[in-house]
Amino acid sequence: QSALTQPPSVSGSPGQSVTISCIGSSSDVGNYNRVSWYQQPPGTAPKLMIYDVSYRPSGVPDRFSGSKSGNTASLTISGLQAEDEADYYCSSYTSSSTMMFGGGTKLTVL
Amino acid sequence: QVQLQESGPGLVKPSGTLSLTCTVSGDSISSSHWWGWIRQPPGKGLEWVGYIHYSGSTYYNPSLMSRVTMSIDTSKNQFSLRVTSVSALDTAVYYCARNYGGNSYYDFWGQGTLVTVSS
Repeated sequence: QSALTQPPSVSGSPGQSVTISCIGSSSDVGNYNRVSWYQQPPGTAPKLMIYDVSYRPSGVPDRFSGSKSGNTASLTISGLQAEDEADYYCSSYTSSSTMMFGGGTKLTVL
Repeated sequence: QVQLQESGPGLVKPSGTLSLTCTVSGDSISSSHWWGWIRQPPGKGLEWVGYIHYSGSTYYNPSLMSRVTMSIDTSKNQFSLRVTSVSALDTAVYYCARNYGGNSYYDFWGQGTLVTVSS
């Protein structure tokens, strides 16, 4: 199974909004609302930020939002803050009953 | 609060077997959730390895399926990973994590443990 496709890097200035895309196929993202997003600062374990496409776990700021259209899921971070700088990964359930991750996107806050 | 802790050798010889254990606290490993392993080679992205349910059901990454085995010990509230015939490509930080309800998201993660394959 190939990884979900994410842009290697995105950047934005404090206060701006950025969107990270996650492109899959009809065998994963397009057919299941089981897309999640994880934030990983350097040297730390991933942290769940969005689950089931658009739901936020308790404690995650509402600046983080998720959506999906067809085979593409997206994570939007509005009101960018310096503390948001990290690697971000999407994940999806697949038709083979497995899970898969995207290649990761490095977010730089300018 | 659910906590997971990986344990096992940090160094494995090429062609040997990598063995890790994850100890769960704050939740029963016999619950409805699934328990998984995710790995991350140095400087690279996350790779899904597989997950297991207390019933014994397992699903593995197709690219690793021939070398991976997961098991569960309900008496110790632990689950384990074995990877055989390892090479340098298996060098990675290995995370254990809880998959909420199965086919879903990972809501609790261990801190990760680095396993290096080298002679």
